[in-house]
Amino acid sequence: EPEVTQTPSHQVTQMGQEVILRCVPISNHLYFYWYRQILGQKVEFLVSFYNNEISEKSEIFDDQFSVERPDGSNFTLKIRSTKLEDSAMYFCASSRDRDQPQHFGDGTRLSIL
Amino acid sequence: GDSVTQMEGPVTLSEEAFLTINCTYTATGYPSLFWYVQYPGEGLQLLLKATKADDKGSNKGFEATYRKETTSFHLEKGSVQVSDSAVYFCALSGSSNTGKLIFGQGTTLQVKP
Repeated sequence: EPEVTQTPSHQVTQMGQEVILRCVPISNHLYFYWYRQILGQKVEFLVSFYNNEISEKSEIFDDQFSVERPDGSNFTLKIRSTKLEDSAMYFCASSRDRDQPQHFGDGTRLSIL
Repeated sequence: GDSVTQMEGPVTLSEEAFLTINCTYTATGYPSLFWYVQYPGEGLQLLLKATKADDKGSNKGFEATYRKETTSFHLEKGSVQVSDSAVYFCALSGSSNTGKLIFGQGTTLQVKP
C-alpha cells in the first residue's frame, strides 16, 4: 500500500538555525498538510496546501514557517529561525481529495537545543 | 471554533475486556468524524470514519457511531488484545473547506495479558 514518507526521522538543530523537513506524499494525492505534536499535547494543524499554494494556515504558522512543493513529488516545511518551542513531532499528511481520509507519515522529531 | 474532547487516559485493561473511549465534538455544520491510532514509534493511521449522522464506522473489531443528538463519536471494541495498545485520537473535519483535521488530545490504551 502506498505510504507517505518523511525524512529525517529525527533532526537536532541549534536554536536560530534553519531547518527543512521533507515529505513525499502519495503520488496521486492532491491535498497536503503539516501538523505538529508537542510532547504530551494534542496534534495541531499547521498548514494545508493545494494546487501549489497554501489554502489554509493556523496561527502557529507565522512568518518563520514556509512550505513548498519544489519538484512535484516532495513537500517541504521550512522553519527559518528555530526557537526552543518549535521542538515537536511534525507530521506530513496527504489525501486524494479534501473529503477523503488523510494518510500520515511516521513523523520527524525536531529537537531544538 | 470547532473542537474535539476525548476522555482522559491512560486506560488500562486486561486482554478480552470491553473498551470504550469517549469522544465529543463541537462543530458548525456537518463534520466528518474519524478515529486515528498511533502505535509506538509510528505515524497516525486511520482506524475508522463516519461522514453523516447515524453512520457507523468499523474496522478491526472497533466501532463508532456518529451521534448528532449527543455530538459524540465514542470508540468501542468488544474484546481488546495486547496488540491494541496504542494512542487513539478522535478527529473531525469540519467547517473548513480545506479538509484540515482537528484532533482531540489522544487517549493512551494499555492492554495487559
